[in-house]
Amino acid sequence: QVQLVQSGAEVKKPGASVKVSCKVSGYTLTELSMHWVRQAPGKGLEWMGGFDPEDGETIYAQKFQGRVTMTEDTSTDTAYMELSSLRSEDTAVYYCATGPGTHWGQGTLVTVSS
Amino acid sequence: DIQMTQSPSSLSASVGDRVTITCRASQGIRNDLGWYQQKPGKAPKRLIYAASSLQSGVPSRFSGSGSGTEFTLTISSLQPEDFATYYCLQHNSYPRTFGQGTKLEIK
Repeated sequence: QVQLVQSGAEVKKPGASVKVSCKVSGYTLTELSMHWVRQAPGKGLEWMGGFDPEDGETIYAQKFQGRVTMTEDTSTDTAYMELSSLRSEDTAVYYCATGPGTHWGQGTLVTVSS
Repeated sequence: DIQMTQSPSSLSASVGDRVTITCRASQGIRNDLGWYQQKPGKAPKRLIYAASSLQSGVPSRFSGSGSGTEFTLTISSLQPEDFATYYCLQHNSYPRTFGQGTKLEIK
């Protein structure tokens, strides 16, 4: 059974960057297609990007292009999502999820506040 | 981008009721759609995949149907633990897109 365990909550100042990790167990990262989804307080789910196994590339939502980087460390089966130039509107719970939404991490709250 | 229009945005119902939630895609997505349940403070949980296949371990009172542009999630007899928010997600093309969500509340 796949399990995804994410890193803990973060508090960042506007303009800073945050890097959230997602540790995979039960499978290896190379067997999975990892995606990232966020949810602002009281709002719906928003897809940020993910790995497309057909092309072998990571695809980002246009909204986050240039600000987000999704990487993987296959030696530790850990996926990462880094978001830069943070603003208050980026305050949200960030989830990793295997495509197409089969398994989810527990979520990481990122708070952006001065 | 494919837009997913989900309705209703909220719904009040009683235990034992039959409820239906709909997602409409702005263009055809075959059956590349899943339904998710989310409870407060928790990660979403997939209930239905490939539009109509029941995820292992999910009660049989949940069912999905549809193909192309129209999809429905039906709960045949609401149980107290079913009061939550429900989302659809299309994975036919990028960017992946969610419906806006349906909050199911106790009447």
